[in-house]
Amino acid sequence: DAGVIQSPRHEVTEMGQEVTLRCKPISGHNSLFWYRQTMMRGLELLIYFNNNVPIDDSGMPEDRFSAKMPNASFSTLKIQPSEPRDSAVYFCASSWASLADTQYFGPGTRLTVL
Amino acid sequence: AQTVTQSQPEMSVQEAETVTLSCTYDTSESDYYLFWYKQPPSRQMILVIRQEAYKQQNATENRFSVNFQKAAKSFSLKISDSQLGDAAMYFCAYRSSGWGQGAQKLVFGQGTRLTINP
Repeated sequence: DAGVIQSPRHEVTEMGQEVTLRCKPISGHNSLFWYRQTMMRGLELLIYFNNNVPIDDSGMPEDRFSAKMPNASFSTLKIQPSEPRDSAVYFCASSWASLADTQYFGPGTRLTVL
Repeated sequence: AQTVTQSQPEMSVQEAETVTLSCTYDTSESDYYLFWYKQPPSRQMILVIRQEAYKQQNATENRFSVNFQKAAKSFSLKISDSQLGDAAMYFCAYRSSGWGQGAQKLVFGQGTRLTINP
């Protein structure tokens, strides 16, 4: 089975541009998570969905960040406008929501904002 | 809020030897889950092992085992017969039990970089 798929793997953009990161969770999983990894803050949750519904977006840094999950097999994380401090690796993870779920991570998207 | 602390930024071990990575956490909950993830240079996050807090028996996966001390809030990872492919960043993570807002999120430690010396 394919794991979590993320695209693009690398993104370089200029400050002020819109950036869209994409994620396809593992088929059958009903929870999806977006994490960000930076040297300063480590790995932190941005937002997660259960059955396509956002459950906790308290980690979203500010209004420039938005995430959607229009269906069970696709999610996007959008940054508009992007800033240099958004440079990080963004991970998507999915799981089958249960008390004992394990999250499986995608390969990540390395974002560089110049 | 829960916190996870990994006090060893870097560790090194000789190939075929045993190494233990430390992790402590802070929580007021009685039921939760603990994980070790491995992140090699490819940056893929790979699950190594998981432990349910209600289980007294320490989890084991081949060469990887944990020492879970609930009262001390300690969760160390032991790697036996270290191999070159074990070189990576290792992250300890905590997850609440239950369904409240934020319960499903993983709280990560800062990581330990493990080097294997041939």
